[in-house]
Amino acid sequence: QSVLTQPPSVSAAPGQKVTISCSGSSSNIGNNYVSWYQQVPGAVPKLLIYETKERPSGIPDRISGSKSGTSATLGITGLQTGDEADYYCGTWDSSLSAVVFGGGTKLTVL
Amino acid sequence: QLQLQESGPGLVKPSETLSLTCTVSGGSISNSGYFWGWIRQPPGKGLEWLGTIYYNGGTYYNPSLKGRVTISVDTSNNQFSLKLESVTAADTAVYYCARRKVIYNYFDPWGQGTLVTVSS
Repeated sequence: QSVLTQPPSVSAAPGQKVTISCSGSSSNIGNNYVSWYQQVPGAVPKLLIYETKERPSGIPDRISGSKSGTSATLGITGLQTGDEADYYCGTWDSSLSAVVFGGGTKLTVL
Repeated sequence: QLQLQESGPGLVKPSETLSLTCTVSGGSISNSGYFWGWIRQPPGKGLEWLGTIYYNGGTYYNPSLKGRVTISVDTSNNQFSLKLESVTAADTAVYYCARRKVIYNYFDPWGQGTLVTVSS
């Protein structure tokens, strides 16, 4: 099992909002920056959020990231069918001296 | 624009060593602001970090790989490489190389990935 815990799946209707959680500990999320990646089936993972809440150029502002304590959250508003993908959180774990990823969350836009 | 491209055999026999190279173009691997890393994804499963190297040769490895992994850098050719020893079918995966930002710990960009199958 992964060091970071994500729900296996989430779903919502087009136009609605969804949040994806990523739970960790003080050795990882609690004291390090979090990043989020989107992976459409068959494609390369794409950076969505870095430094916990920053968006790379080209990522729309309906995508957001936040953190509270040892949990991080990815938010997506105005859901589109093109948002259907797997989403992964990642960070550094200071105790393991290792990069850790969540197990991934499959987003279905109903 | 920085690009990364993995290369190497797509089929490796069990117990042998998997070897891949990542060629970086559009930027220097010697940029002090970045690490260079390998991540893999078994079919239908999630992402697993294998290790990271700095341009001066400093490395971090995933402890779960129990010493089977070695990453090296060739700054003269703007490349870095992965060796994974004693492979089994469980090492079958798409292997990605990617650039990792120092301190902020995010991977961007990624290579296209290469599928390596472990089979006799």
